[in-house]
Amino acid sequence: QVQLVESGGGLVKPGGSLRLSCAASGFPFSDYYMSWIRQAPGEGLAWISYISNSGSTIHYADSVKGRFTISRDNAKNSLYLEMNSLRAEDTGVYYCARHALRRIAAAPRDSWGQGTLVTVSS
Amino acid sequence: EIVLTQSPGTLSLSPGERATLSCRASQSVSSSYLAWYQQKPGQAPRLLIYGAASRATGIPDRFSGSASGTDFTLTITRLEPEDIAVYYCQQYGSSPYTFGQGTKLEIK
Repeated sequence: QVQLVESGGGLVKPGGSLRLSCAASGFPFSDYYMSWIRQAPGEGLAWISYISNSGSTIHYADSVKGRFTISRDNAKNSLYLEMNSLRAEDTGVYYCARHALRRIAAAPRDSWGQGTLVTVSS
Repeated sequence: EIVLTQSPGTLSLSPGERATLSCRASQSVSSSYLAWYQQKPGQAPRLLIYGAASRATGIPDRFSGSASGTDFTLTITRLEPEDIAVYYCQQYGSSPYTFGQGTKLEIK
């Protein structure tokens, strides 16, 4: 079955950097768009970024544009989020999620990982 | 950016009752690209409804979605204690793919 497992979260100081990973299994990873979605403590869901199945198309939310970089390695069935210049407001659980339809951006997120917690604090 | 406004913020009902959750979009949502997710405490979100009215795989028929213009509704009939969760709507037709702020469903 579809499985997404995030890793790489932790405690980092403001201005610091962190790299999140999402290991995918159970489906042809190279056929699907993927997204990162964040949830601040006690708050709702916020879409952060998505990447096309080939990696050629990338979009970011304004809140992270210029600071975060999404990428993927289809040979390793892995999705990444490089986070730089971190701020306190970046604190939260980061989920990777699969777009439900092959090679299509406009699709609901049908599979989610369990999330990895990022805490930005001095 | 499409803003999604969910109401009510909290809904408290008894088992067996019917829940009606609302999601209003600030502008037209492309091709009804509107999804509903359920998030139980300590868990990742789960897809319930997509295309405004289609149930995702394995979702019981107690859950249904509908649309009227920029107004979207999630209806849960015959509430069960396991339905305790926060429910989010999301539009996935145009970037940024915004979420509503959520409706918390409590069971009396």
